[in-house]
Amino acid sequence: EADIYQTPRYLVIGTGKKITLECSQTMGHDKMYWYQQDPGMELHLIHYSYGVNSTEKGDLSSESTVSRIRTEHFPLTLESARPSHTSQYLCASEDRGTQSSGANVLTFGAGSRLTVL
Amino acid sequence: EDQVTQSPEALRLQEGESSSLNCSYTVSGLRGLFWYRQDPGKGPEFLFTLYSAGEEKEKERLKATLTKKESFLHITAPKPEDSATYLCAVHLNSNSGYALNFGKGTSLLVTP
Repeated sequence: EADIYQTPRYLVIGTGKKITLECSQTMGHDKMYWYQQDPGMELHLIHYSYGVNSTEKGDLSSESTVSRIRTEHFPLTLESARPSHTSQYLCASEDRGTQSSGANVLTFGAGSRLTVL
Repeated sequence: EDQVTQSPEALRLQEGESSSLNCSYTVSGLRGLFWYRQDPGKGPEFLFTLYSAGEEKEKERLKATLTKKESFLHITAPKPEDSATYLCAVHLNSNSGYALNFGKGTSLLVTP
């Protein structure tokens, strides 16, 4: 049973629309991430958060924005969608774990597939 | 430049035909190597974490190994339900904190 939920699973919208992809987790994890995945390509980190009121941009430049007002909620927003934003967006949270190296397991949501016409 | 490269890109096996998937990495400051399985239309699902060369982990028909330059995911006597994309990811100490860097994956198809 999933402990991290993404909605909507599929979204088809027209150019210029504002959209928000929702991500919620029930595990109490502080660290959360947004990855973007295109077919046949690797996942690219676009945003991450280490806790409430913490948000940072990832390695891949993105026109989207994120917010972290509550621990369990990490929504991603596109103010004006374009066809180049068509992609799969994956949200993940990180277990605190026991590794002193900081390398802990990520739990992913099922993803939100966005198509912009 | 830090890189994670997986091979082959795609692999087709008959049921029961054992094989291995490769993940090679060129990174400094390795903090862990992860294997995930991804089914179509779903998010990646965690399989294994390896932290040091020589380490091995097993789960059912899968066995992951790690050297200083690469990791292998060995699949013994695969079944059709093992068909999926297998992703390798390396945990780096980078500008994005401890975020995972993923390879492109190996798409595995096991036929009856």
